[in-house]
Amino acid sequence: EAGVAQSPRYKIIEKRQSVAFWCNPISGHATLYWYQQILGQGPKLLIQFQNNGVVDDSQLPKDRFSAERLKGVDSTLKIQPAKLEDSAVYLCASSHATGAYGYTFGSGTRLTVV
Amino acid sequence: KNQVEQSPQSLIILEGKNCTLQCNYTVSPFSNLRWYKQDTGRGPVSLTIMTFSENTKSNGRYTATLDADTKQSSLHITASQLSDSASYICVVSGMAGGFKTIFGAGTRLFVKA
Repeated sequence: EAGVAQSPRYKIIEKRQSVAFWCNPISGHATLYWYQQILGQGPKLLIQFQNNGVVDDSQLPKDRFSAERLKGVDSTLKIQPAKLEDSAVYLCASSHATGAYGYTFGSGTRLTVV
Repeated sequence: KNQVEQSPQSLIILEGKNCTLQCNYTVSPFSNLRWYKQDTGRGPVSLTIMTFSENTKSNGRYTATLDADTKQSSLHITASQLSDSASYICVVSGMAGGFKTIFGAGTRLFVKA
């Protein structure tokens, strides 16, 4: 089975610019997650989708971050405007239903804000 | 508060040696515990997953143990290889206020030749 696809792999932008990341989950996985992983820390959940509905976005900085999952498949995560502290790896993961049996991560997008 | 704490923060061992990584959690009620391996620049990859009724799970040279009473888990790596150099992340899921998944900060393992 194909894995979780993410693009781009790397992105460097200046502060106050905008950026978008794309994720294609494993086929048939209803749940999609976006995580932010700052260097030396574990991943932090930003937003969780079940099909095309938002299940949990309590830790998403909504003044600058937005995400959508149109048609319940692919998803995009956007940051506008970016701040220096947004420099991190953005991981996308997908799973069946609640993820009780584990989920699969993509390779991530490494964002550097300068 | 639901927490997952891992120790040590980092570890250096010689190739061929064994090591054990620790994970303590307070997530309750508990659903499952997973160990992930994350190579530098890559996403985490699942090593083991254990539910409440399981107290050990192996995946090759990786063996995870779980004590649900003391809320502790360990990941034992046998006969380490240079390719084991990575971060190992403990992830605990539970039903506190809806299904929640909490990630530990990880243990950074360096295997030296």
